[in-house]
Amino acid sequence: DAGVTQSPTHLIKTRGQQVTLRCSPISGHKSVSWYQQVLGQGPQFIFQYYEKEERGRGNFPDRFSARQFPNYSSELNVNALLLGDSALYLCASSLPSGTGELFFGEGSRLTVL
Amino acid sequence: AQSVTQLGSHVSVSEGALVLLRCNYSSSVPPYLFWYVQYPNQGLQLLLKYTSAATLVKGINGFEAEFKKSETSFHLTKPSAHMSDAAEYFCAVSFTGTASKLTFGTGTRLQVTL
Repeated sequence: DAGVTQSPTHLIKTRGQQVTLRCSPISGHKSVSWYQQVLGQGPQFIFQYYEKEERGRGNFPDRFSARQFPNYSSELNVNALLLGDSALYLCASSLPSGTGELFFGEGSRLTVL
Repeated sequence: AQSVTQLGSHVSVSEGALVLLRCNYSSSVPPYLFWYVQYPNQGLQLLLKYTSAATLVKGINGFEAEFKKSETSFHLTKPSAHMSDAAEYFCAVSFTGTASKLTFGTGTRLQVTL
């Protein structure tokens, strides 16, 4: 079975631009979460979506938005990019049960110049 | 405030030696606790989790961790390190009762030497 897939794997943007990152969860997983991992730090929670609804949001500005589609795939959008947005963006999927395992993709590495 | 702390950003052990990676949490409610491993240029993989069942949790690759409520700790151990264990290890805590919203520590890079 395919794991969590993310695209693109690497991308370079300039300040002020906008970026869209995509995530396909494991088949049967209806919950998708997004995390930002800045170099040298642990991942930070950005969003959780379940059944196309936002179920949780971390401490990130409104420049960050996301959505989930009927097939449970998800997009993370970041507007007005800042240098500090440079990071590895991780998507994770899970079954609805609360104490289940998060399955992470390999991430999208964003560099903002 | 609820938080998770990993003591030691870098740990170096010899192959065959005991691995001990430390994690402490601060929470007013019983948390769910996790250890994840991240190999270079890869995502995170779950090693083990504690969700209020047995306090000694066994995970993959010979790792285990013990939940000690009195010490608010969840340290990760492995009796004998292998070269393939070299990676970044993250302790994570759920304060909301769901595994989808985790608070991660800053990570500990494990180096294994011959």
